[in-house]
Amino acid sequence: DIQMTQSPSSLSASVGDSVTITCQASQDIDKFLNWYQQKAGKAPKLLIYDASNLETAVPSRFSGSGSGRDFSFTISSLQPEDIATYYCQQYDNVPLTFGGGTKVELK
Amino acid sequence: QVQLVESGGGVVQPGRSLRLSCAASGFTFSSYGMHWVRQAPGKGLEWVTGIWFDGSNEYYADSVKGRFTISRDNSKNTLYLQMNSLRAEDTAVYFCARDRFTVPSFFDYWGQGTLVTVSA
Repeated sequence: DIQMTQSPSSLSASVGDSVTITCQASQDIDKFLNWYQQKAGKAPKLLIYDASNLETAVPSRFSGSGSGRDFSFTISSLQPEDIATYYCQQYDNVPLTFGGGTKVELK
Repeated sequence: QVQLVESGGGVVQPGRSLRLSCAASGFTFSSYGMHWVRQAPGKGLEWVTGIWFDGSNEYYADSVKGRFTISRDNSKNTLYLQMNSLRAEDTAVYFCARDRFTVPSFFDYWGQGTLVTVSA
């Protein structure tokens, strides 16, 4: 199984800050990496697919990059509505696997 | 608009069975792969199982293989999860999710989830 290591597990930032989360796969997964946002008590929402493609209607302050084993996700200017937990997910191989999540809080 | 509505959750004793359903609407259900993803209380996301658009292929996490069965009825636009030999560690919110493609990839729409609690 492909293990996805996400860091940090939590972070605290101020409105307007740039926030970056990293995700490392245990083996090469090419570009088959996605990012989701999950707000408290809600279902996850797809933000980024194939490492860097912004899902329709997702604000442009969200972005992703990377390939192979190392990936990153950035919120360029943190907004109050971005408070959530973020997960990476690979689909290079079954079983599909998620990172452990990064909880983003306001400072 | 795309809607996925799960049902069938509840409290069940260890070793017993439960069947979840996911009613789909707003898209051509028979053209998309579908999945179940779960989240234990206070924990992260765990993919459980997925099925091809036509039901011809199924995939399972090792943690549920041999105990859970995914199926679909394209005439009823409904996805199912039959859960047998339930364990305490199966306690979670179970989400159904649509695959962007026909084979396992990523989840572009999610239901609101249904809670399964396995407890004596």
